[in-house]
Order: sequence, then structure tokens, then C-alpha cells
Amino acid sequence: AQSVTQPDIHITVSEGASLELRCNYSYGATPYLFWYVQSPGQGLQLLLKYFSGDTLVQGIKGFEAEFKRSQSSFNLRKPSVHWSDAAEYFCAVRPNTDKLIFGTGTRLQVFP
Amino acid sequence: ETGVTQSPTHLIKTRGQQVTLRCSSQSGHNTVSWYQQALGQGPQFIFQYYREEENGRGNFPPRFSGLQFPNYSSELNVNALELDDSALYLCASSLPGEGYNEQFFGPGTRLTVL
Repeated sequence: AQSVTQPDIHITVSEGASLELRCNYSYGATPYLFWYVQSPGQGLQLLLKYFSGDTLVQGIKGFEAEFKRSQSSFNLRKPSVHWSDAAEYFCAVRPNTDKLIFGTGTRLQVFP
Repeated sequence: ETGVTQSPTHLIKTRGQQVTLRCSSQSGHNTVSWYQQALGQGPQFIFQYYREEENGRGNFPPRFSGLQFPNYSSELNVNALELDDSALYLCASSLPGEGYNEQFFGPGTRLTVL
């Protein structure tokens, strides 16, 4: 069965530091992969997506992610974190046209 | 262009009651998906509606049901509420079909079952 694992429940970084959030997926074929961000009281906002082609994808707010088929990973990165990046981050896979399967999320805390 | 809206924002019910949650899709979007997000968890797919028909369902019991109206708005109905139904319910709208069609999420309805 398809699944998404986000091994880090909570990450704390200092403002200006680099960030990497981990995501591993289980899916037979080449998946559609996504990263979403959720701020308190808000819905989910799409940061970036991967379908095919270049394995390094750029998203909004300075985020990027790299698809590594050999490791079944799709890690999210940002070179310099801002205090406004504090939120919950979800990795998701889309196995077919009707649904997204989400990981359990990683809560990012940013210290000044 | 209006985004996805949901009502109500918050709701408190007791066990055994029934609840209806509402979602208005983004302009031009005819597909609506519903997700349940329990505290500390990622969203879980409940079902999707396309052209007023259910178009896929997750692992939820039949007491979770839905409707989609001709204007593409949608309702999620939950009967015989249980304590574990307490969650944030998210609605997402999109265009249908193969290939990528981004799902745009609303802010959610927070349901508390006492």
C-alpha cells in the first residue's frame, strides 16, 4: 500500500539556519509528490510538486525539494529559514487522480 | 477569484448526533475532496465528488456521506457521531482528469465531539 513517512515530528532551527525536512514514500510506480505547509488556523498551501523530469524542484517561499528514486525520498530544503516559516509541513503522494496520501507532518519551530 | 470556503469554522456536538459541514469550491472547480485531520496527524482522504457523484472513497464508514450540488459546492454529513470524529475537516477543490490538477484547500471546520 502507498504510504508516506516523515520521521521528524518536531524540528527546531535558528533563524537564518538551513533546513531539511525528510520525507520517504512507498509507491510502486513513479509517484506524484508534494509538499504542503499549514499555519495555525489555516488550510494547506502547496509549496512545490514533482511529477517527472528534473529531480530538483523549486517552490514558493524559497523552498526546494529533491526527488531521489533510489532512496524513495523527497526531502524539502531551504537555505536560510525565516521566523515566518514556523508551521507544520506535510509531504504527500498522489497515487491516482482522486486522493492525496499525507505523512504525519513535521512541526517547524524557528528561534530568533 | 474566490478561494475555497468552509462553514462553520468551529462546531461542538455530542456523541450520537449528526453534523453537516459545508464547502464552496474555488471558482471554475468542479471536483471537491474531503479530508479528516485528527490532532497531530496528517489529513486522511474521506471521499471525492465530481459532477455530483462520488468519485473515490477512503477507509471511512458509511456514516460519513456527502453531496455535491450543481454549483459544485459540497456537504459532508456524519451520522452517529463518535468521540474519535473530533478533528479538523478540510475541503479541497480542483479540476478533474488525468495529469496534475492542484487541490486547493479551505481553512477547515474544527469539529469537537463531547
